[in-house]
Amino acid sequence: QKEVEQNSGPLSVPEGAIASLNCTYSDRVSQSFFWYRQYSGKSPELIMSIYSNGDKEDGRFTAQLNKASQYVSLLIRDSQPSDSATYLCAVLFSGGYQKVTFGIGTKLQVIP
Amino acid sequence: ETGVTQSPTHLIKTRGQQVTLRCSSQSGHNTVSWYQQALGQGPQFIFQYYREEENGRGNFPPRFSGLQFPNYSSELNVNALELDDSALYLCASSLGQGARLAGDETQYFGPGTRLLVL
Repeated sequence: QKEVEQNSGPLSVPEGAIASLNCTYSDRVSQSFFWYRQYSGKSPELIMSIYSNGDKEDGRFTAQLNKASQYVSLLIRDSQPSDSATYLCAVLFSGGYQKVTFGIGTKLQVIP
Repeated sequence: ETGVTQSPTHLIKTRGQQVTLRCSSQSGHNTVSWYQQALGQGPQFIFQYYREEENGRGNFPPRFSGLQFPNYSSELNVNALELDDSALYLCASSLGQGARLAGDETQYFGPGTRLLVL
């Protein structure tokens, strides 16, 4: 069973702080990794995708991937109340078709 | 907006009934995946269609079935509805087998259909 593990939270950070969201996965040959943001009652929207080891930055968001440790993280700098949402880690496992496995999601609360 | 649309947005059914949910893919995408998301959980993979054929399935019983049409729109059908089928149903479109070459393996989600089974 290929799994994606996340802490469900809630993770509470003050406005302006850095929020750090973490995810581990079980399959060493996984190839693609995604962070989605999901507001309550809405569908997931893509924040970042990352395919190779290292950091990838997009505005206030930085995704970090370490395939040797099977670990992917998302950093949100200068957190805003509008960042309060559930963040889903998703992993595309190799093997014939594009099956994406999601973690349970981490609920982030940014306190004004 | 992702360009992926779903209908209806909300639906109420009773146990034992059948339901059909619809999805229209983003332009240029030939692959659609369906997910079930129960409250407080991550999306669970139901199945995926590529060029009108099912090419992958998660741990869902056969009463969950689907179709993909030549224009790459898709349907999810659920027979003999159970109370536990109450969830948000999401479809996501992607480039499919051309995705890796294109450097974009992202699945883009529609707004979802909220199904309540009473």
